[in-house]
Amino acid sequence: DAKTTQPPSMDCAEGRAANLPCNHSTISGNEYVYWYRQIHSQGPQYIIHGLKNNETNEMASLIITEDRKSSTLILPHATLRDTAVYYCIVRETSYDKVIFGPGTSLSVIP
Amino acid sequence: SAVISQKPSRDICQRGTSLTIQCQVDSQVTMMFWYRQQPGQSLTLIATANQGSEATYESGFVIDKFPISRPNLTFSTLTVSNMSPEDSSIYLCSVELDRETQYFGPGTRLLVL
Repeated sequence: DAKTTQPPSMDCAEGRAANLPCNHSTISGNEYVYWYRQIHSQGPQYIIHGLKNNETNEMASLIITEDRKSSTLILPHATLRDTAVYYCIVRETSYDKVIFGPGTSLSVIP
Repeated sequence: SAVISQKPSRDICQRGTSLTIQCQVDSQVTMMFWYRQQPGQSLTLIATANQGSEATYESGFVIDKFPISRPNLTFSTLTVSNMSPEDSSIYLCSVELDRETQYFGPGTRLLVL
């Protein structure tokens, strides 16, 4: 079973920040938080991952709470092309399995 | 990142037949994974394929139904055997890079009639 819980769906206005929450209350000390997204039946796309520090790349920012029991993926300026299912995944690195939950279906609205 | 291709991209097959899906990656990788995504569902891991060893199957998936080959560090195949309409899904391969991140292929869309 997936180790994370996410809201099933969210809406975001185009141009605004999209904040996608994820709960992972049973995360262990050596597990990372990963985010992927899947745009309409394409293969999942890696977005970002982190252990305990906040991370930022060209796609998004990842904010992890101090107790590491939850995190938020931030898309700073959502566009229509960001409409997708977003998956929050907890896993160790070094070839651990990626177990997908149902994810959050994000709709970016004009 | 890695460039991953899959063949075929889609197919329509008759029940009782078999289909072999190919996954090619542009760099050498130790581990490759095969997933299934049934209509409207999330991804489910079928098996992990290491070069030079037998694939490791997840609960609910068996080698007779989903035989996997991994002849070298850049290539793998998944066969869906004796297909039924319930096998209609998207099949995806993924690879692990840098011991940290998995990257996914574009998927193979299979419809079984």
